[in-house]
Amino acid sequence: GQSLEQPSEVTAVEGAIVQINCTYQTSGFYGLSWYQQHDGGAPTFLSYNGLDGLEETGRFSSFLSRSDSYGYLLLQELQMKDSASYFCAWKPNQGGKLIFGQGTELSVKP
Amino acid sequence: DTAVSQTPKYLVTQMGNDKSIKCEQNLGHDTMYWYKQDSKKFLKIMFSYNNKELIINETVPNRFSPKSPDKAHLNLHINSLELGDSAVYFCASSQDAWRENNEQYFGPGTRLTVT
Repeated sequence: GQSLEQPSEVTAVEGAIVQINCTYQTSGFYGLSWYQQHDGGAPTFLSYNGLDGLEETGRFSSFLSRSDSYGYLLLQELQMKDSASYFCAWKPNQGGKLIFGQGTELSVKP
Repeated sequence: DTAVSQTPKYLVTQMGNDKSIKCEQNLGHDTMYWYKQDSKKFLKIMFSYNNKELIINETVPNRFSPKSPDKAHLNLHINSLELGDSAVYFCASSQDAWRENNEQYFGPGTRLTVT
């Protein structure tokens, strides 16, 4: 079968670093995206990894290892506003389809 | 200016009714999508259109019918609504479906409640 696995919840304190993992079992793999969604809001794009390695965008970084079928999102210098759900999304082919994981709810405490 | 807009934001209706949700994007994108997000926040693609042509049609009951009058608009019509259709429906767009990154821009969502 095909699946994306992420932890359901993560808690961290302001200023800390947190890593949200995403492991996948898929047939056909073109890339891994990450989206953020605040309660009551719309998903917003954070990053995309098409190749192995690290992509950095400000406080957020994303990593992909195709050989390990594994990726992660790294959030540094956590702020209260980072409390949200984070979704990894698998791109199975060259078309526009994205398959989303179940999401990780991140709670940032003071 | 709102990039991807949807109407209505909230929709409460009874079982058996027919309803429509409208979506418009002003980003000049070629590809638009409909997603369903259930109460557990599971986000699942339903349909996608590229320049008015249907390119993704997931396993969705045929009570759901998308229509794209032009590449800036994608509507979703739902017939004979059922309790299980209650969810948040998101419209999204991307520059084109075959771009490497395929960053998708989501609308604010339509919360549909079927009673």
